[in-house]
Amino acid sequence: EAAVTQSPRSKVAVTGGKVTLSCHQTNNHDYMYWYRQDTGHGLRLIHYSYVADSTEKGDIPDGYKASRPSQENFSLILELASLSQTAVYFCASSRDWASAETLYFGSGTRLTVL
Amino acid sequence: AQSVTQPDARVTVSEGASLQLRCKYSYSATPYLFWYVQYPRQGLQLLLKYYSGDPVVQGVNGFEAEFSKSNSSFHLRKASVHWSDSAVYFCAVSITMNNNAGAKLTFGGGTRLTVRP
Repeated sequence: EAAVTQSPRSKVAVTGGKVTLSCHQTNNHDYMYWYRQDTGHGLRLIHYSYVADSTEKGDIPDGYKASRPSQENFSLILELASLSQTAVYFCASSRDWASAETLYFGSGTRLTVL
Repeated sequence: AQSVTQPDARVTVSEGASLQLRCKYSYSATPYLFWYVQYPRQGLQLLLKYYSGDPVVQGVNGFEAEFSKSNSSFHLRKASVHWSDSAVYFCAVSITMNNNAGAKLTFGGGTRLTVRP
């Protein structure tokens, strides 16, 4: 079964600090994604990647960077965390680019910025 | 712009009752359609998906959804709910991103289902 693991499970950060969220997948998938979920809202795409050492901007990339050092690992970086970035962050992977592909999600990281 | 609307933020039903969760989309062509479920403290899991063909598609755990092109809808149904079905349900529409960069899902806001024992 597909496996996507995120760390940490939760984190409290201070405004202006740097935060790194990590994601590791054992699915041998080429495509990985970072989504943000706000209470009462659907998920929104922040960054994605379809090959190691390359990342692409999603719908809401401002304030976020991404890093894909290998096929298995995909990180989301908040250089200067802000209150508005308090949310739950989900990583996902998929096998292929086709529109019909299923995404496999991690359990999420709950980030609180104070 | 592509959008997905789930008009009911919260739904409460009694165990054993039937269920319908509504989803409407706005897209110029018939997209790929998905329902995902998020159980407490877990990531999203696929319930079912629709590409083409029979407008009624079966999913896991007795769920099914019906596609209506005329109504631009993809409603989720279950004949008899169980307390363990309590979760948040997301409808999603998929399009192909540029440069062969993968499938981008646009999610609705979700419907929180509570099943009373």
